[in-house]
Amino acid sequence: GAGVSQSPSNKVTEKGKDVELRCDPISGHTALYWYRQSLGQGLEFLIYFQGNSAPDKSGLPSDRFSAERTGGSVSTLTIQRTQQEDSAVYLCASSFVETQYFGPGTRLLVL
Amino acid sequence: AQSVTQPDIHITVSEGASLELRCNYSYGATPYLFWYVQSPGQGLQLLLKYFSGDTLVQGIKGFEAEFKRSQSSFNLRKPSVHWSDAAEYFCAVGAMLYGGSQGNLIFGKGTKLSVKP
Repeated sequence: GAGVSQSPSNKVTEKGKDVELRCDPISGHTALYWYRQSLGQGLEFLIYFQGNSAPDKSGLPSDRFSAERTGGSVSTLTIQRTQQEDSAVYLCASSFVETQYFGPGTRLLVL
Repeated sequence: AQSVTQPDIHITVSEGASLELRCNYSYGATPYLFWYVQSPGQGLQLLLKYFSGDTLVQGIKGFEAEFKRSQSSFNLRKPSVHWSDAAEYFCAVGAMLYGGSQGNLIFGKGTKLSVKP
């Protein structure tokens, strides 16, 4: 069946611009997670959505980062006023119960 | 603090040789443990997981891992490595939340595996 999909696969932007990254979870999965993977920091948790509950935003590094999940399905991660240190691979995962399944990621490069 | 340590950044083994990747964790609650593999330019693929029960778990691609509570370890093993196993391997720990959903995972820094012909 279809896995987690993310778009775009690559994004190059200029410092100070806003970017939006999209995640389509596996159909029927109630939980959705965003992680960031960078050379210096490894894999870091950003934000977590579970059903209709308020999201767990405890991993967001600054108020420039936000995410929403519409209709309990698709999610968008928005980074405002991008900085060079935001360059990383952004991974989305979804789960129904105990196992998270990951998408291929969006590679973001901020020039 | 909750953490996962993978002490080996890079390991090189010969094709056909056995493999053991180390993982140690620090976690306050009963841990749920995972190993994921990531090939270049790809997302993370689940190899295996441990929640409870038999401490030796089998995964895909001939991998297995053993949970040792006394050592806070969850080492990954494979008896005979294939060239296609070259990738980066991540150990992760998480917990089940109230209601049955899984909280966020905490990952180790990863171990890059190279395979010599």
